[in-house]
Amino acid sequence: GAGVSQSPSNKVTEKGKDVELRCDPISGHTALYWYRQSLGQGLEFLIYFQGNSAPDKSGLPSDRFSAERTGGSVSTLTIQRTQQEDSAVYLCASRYGGAGTDTQYFGPGTRLTVL
Amino acid sequence: KQEVTQIPAALSVPEGENLVLNCSFTDSAIYNLQWFRQDPGKGLTSLLLIQSSQREQTSGRLNASLDKSSGRSTLYIAASQPGDSATYLCAVVRGSQGNLIFGKGTKLSVKP
Repeated sequence: GAGVSQSPSNKVTEKGKDVELRCDPISGHTALYWYRQSLGQGLEFLIYFQGNSAPDKSGLPSDRFSAERTGGSVSTLTIQRTQQEDSAVYLCASRYGGAGTDTQYFGPGTRLTVL
Repeated sequence: KQEVTQIPAALSVPEGENLVLNCSFTDSAIYNLQWFRQDPGKGLTSLLLIQSSQREQTSGRLNASLDKSSGRSTLYIAASQPGDSATYLCAVVRGSQGNLIFGKGTKLSVKP
């Protein structure tokens, strides 16, 4: 079946511009995660959605970052007023079952470059 | 704060060798530990998931062990092949929300 998809695959933007990154999870997966992978920091958790519950935003690095998930499916991560340190690969993942027993399925990522 | 460390950072072996990748974590209160593989320019692929009550999991040539009390896991790859070349990431799930805490990975190169 179809896996997690993300778009765009690459995004180059100028410092100060806003960007939107999209994630389509696997159909039926209720849990959705965003992670960031940068050279210096490795993979870091950003935000978590579960069904209709309020998201866990504890990993967002600043208030320039926000995310929403519409209809319990597609998610958009928005970065406002981008900075050069935002350059990284942004990965989305979804999960079907319980956190203790089921793995997360990752998309291919969006590579963001801020000039 | 949970920290995950992977040793070595990089490893190069000739084809056919058996090898072990190491992962350690600082807080033993975990839900599970997972091993992922990442190929250049691609997302992560789950290899093995070990629940907190389990000691090991096996899939084909891969075997992962978990020792919660010592905060360690190993990934054993038997009879390595060039196609095994990739970065291997260890991650733990600490809370019920399931967000993963990753190590920085071991970059494996298997030479033909």
